[in-house]
Amino acid sequence: DTEVTQTPKHLVMGMTNKKSLKCEQHMGHRAMYWYKQKAKKPPELMFVYSYEKLSINESVPSRFSPECPNSSLLNLHLHALQPEDSALYLCASSPPGKNYGYTFGSGTRLTVV
Amino acid sequence: LAKTTQPISMDSYEGQEVNITCSHNNIATNDYITWYQQFPSQGPRFIIQGYKTKVTNEVASLFIPADRKSSTLSLPRVSLSDTAVYYCLVGDTMTTDSWGKLQFGAGTQVVVTP
Repeated sequence: DTEVTQTPKHLVMGMTNKKSLKCEQHMGHRAMYWYKQKAKKPPELMFVYSYEKLSINESVPSRFSPECPNSSLLNLHLHALQPEDSALYLCASSPPGKNYGYTFGSGTRLTVV
Repeated sequence: LAKTTQPISMDSYEGQEVNITCSHNNIATNDYITWYQQFPSQGPRFIIQGYKTKVTNEVASLFIPADRKSSTLSLPRVSLSDTAVYYCLVGDTMTTDSWGKLQFGAGTQVVVTP
């Protein structure tokens, strides 16, 4: 398995809703990432998990809450989002100790109404 | 972190070779150069990675001069399906301390027409 799987592919949520994005990989990668990408802009790093521990939080608002239950799973819990949070949310992973590229999932297209 | 500069856009015709140059003047000794391709509403896809000289795979070639302050991604004989945004990233992904410290620049929109 050489993929990063993200679910759902599309999500529409209201500003008072609570939802979660899920990311899964079975490549043995020990670093996992959440990126946010707005239209016609490059991906922006949000969080990095290294060996299931949060290692980088790029000053992301607390309405985004990451979780790494195990080495294969990464969740992003969403609560009280704003319309400007609408974007493509990308998950990625990378292997330890090797200079290989990141493997990205196809993303979750989030619309906040 | 090494900052990268790429052209905003490039146009090409089918069958031509496309060369995208990325400038990274403050590249560090341990940094590698990695290129990604992204189609609309999809995640970036790894294309090629190199440290110095030339690297070639089934998709592209990467040319890196001796001073490593720039690199050129070469896409041979492009087709319509090569229309995408191409990102050059520079960083050291070997150590856990460096994980997550790769940053995407603005990227280059390549448009291939018949």
